[in-house]
Amino acid sequence: SQQGEEDPQALSIQEGENATMNCSYKTSINNLQWYRQNSGRGLVHLILIRSNEREKHSGRLRVTLDTSKKSSSLLITASRAADTASYFCATPGTYKYIFGTGTRLKVLA
Amino acid sequence: DTAVSQTPKYLVTQMGNDKSIKCEQNLGHDTMYWYKQDSKKFLKIMFSYNNKELIINETVPNRFSPKSPDKAHLNLHINSLELGDSAVYFCASSQVRGGLYEQYFGPGTRLTVT
Repeated sequence: SQQGEEDPQALSIQEGENATMNCSYKTSINNLQWYRQNSGRGLVHLILIRSNEREKHSGRLRVTLDTSKKSSSLLITASRAADTASYFCATPGTYKYIFGTGTRLKVLA
Repeated sequence: DTAVSQTPKYLVTQMGNDKSIKCEQNLGHDTMYWYKQDSKKFLKIMFSYNNKELIINETVPNRFSPKSPDKAHLNLHINSLELGDSAVYFCASSQVRGGLYEQYFGPGTRLTVT
């Protein structure tokens, strides 16, 4: 299967703490994307990092990419209850996107 | 304005029936997709269309037939529904094909086959 793997599968933290989730993928890529899915909703694009970038920030999000290890991480700082969601990484395939298995994040108020 | 819309949001039907899900995007994107998300949240590509032409069919049973009347619409028709078809189906679109840009997802259609 081409599907990427994310870990942890589930993560539970207190509000205000940082949350880190990791994604490993299998093929060479030109970019990697992170998406959020709230319960019962569609996925929402968070951030795209290109293969020539090592780190990218967007608000409280920080994404890193290590193409030599075929891995990426998403850090959410100062988490809020509203960050409770599933987070997926996605890599481009031939005319498609390949999604990871997802990390379910629960932020406790 | 909703960027990618799907109807219906919920669909409950019996085995053997035929059903359709409709999708529309108002973003002017060239490429549209159907995904299936199972109970474990795995998201799997089913079909990809670019300018009304099928470019990906990920070994989906031929009971599933997508149709794109124009590049803003991609519908999914399912014949002879089976229990294993129960899942959430997402429509999505992107500016161009190939994963170079972000995708925009619809709200999903939860299909329950009894």
